[in-house]
Amino acid sequence: DIVMTQSPDSLAVSLGERATINCKSSQSVLFSSNNKNYLTWYQQKPGQPPKLLIYWASTRESGVPDRFSGSGSGTDFTLTISSVQAEDVAVYYCQQYNKSPCTFGQGTKLEI
Amino acid sequence: QVQLQESGPGLVKPSETLSLICTVSGDSISTYYWNWIRQPPGKGLEWIGFIYYSGSTNYNPSLKSRVTISVDTSKNQFSLKLTSVTAADTAVYFCARARSGFAFDIWGQGTMVTVSS
Repeated sequence: DIVMTQSPDSLAVSLGERATINCKSSQSVLFSSNNKNYLTWYQQKPGQPPKLLIYWASTRESGVPDRFSGSGSGTDFTLTISSVQAEDVAVYYCQQYNKSPCTFGQGTKLEI
Repeated sequence: QVQLQESGPGLVKPSETLSLICTVSGDSISTYYWNWIRQPPGKGLEWIGFIYYSGSTNYNPSLKSRVTISVDTSKNQFSLKLTSVTAADTAVYFCARARSGFAFDIWGQGTMVTVSS
């Protein structure tokens, strides 16, 4: 299985500051046939299902604020929140499906 | 607007079979990949498996011997069966749609299943 490791496990930032969450995969998640990274980012708030933020490592889902951005390729990825808002308090997960089984990172808890 | 809704018993006895149904509304099930994902209380997400409308499936090897996912296109539903459950199977079970990039873009609200006698 591809192991997804996120860092840090938790992160506390002030309102308006930048938050950076890292995700490292044990194998490349770059699919050679289409040159796309099968790496997705989700946000999960308490009592809710995860919400899709970023897919293909850097493509923002429709309706997601542009303060959320994704970057990286191969095995190293980053989710950046450029100016953290109160509503961004949540747990963030990365996920890969370049190879089965689909696997998730352990999650990063973002606090204000 | 596409919506998914899980249904099924909230309490299952050890060694018995967990059975859940996901009803898809607002879109035909005859496209995309339809998934089950679970989350033990206070823990992370675990992918269980998917089914395509044609009936083809792919399961997480960690659960493969106990899992069956099936589809009923006439009812726009897909279902999960997990046999021989133990307390370790206690979790919130989500159904979710996977589209481009195998990103889960639509999720059900989740249903809590507790395994206990």
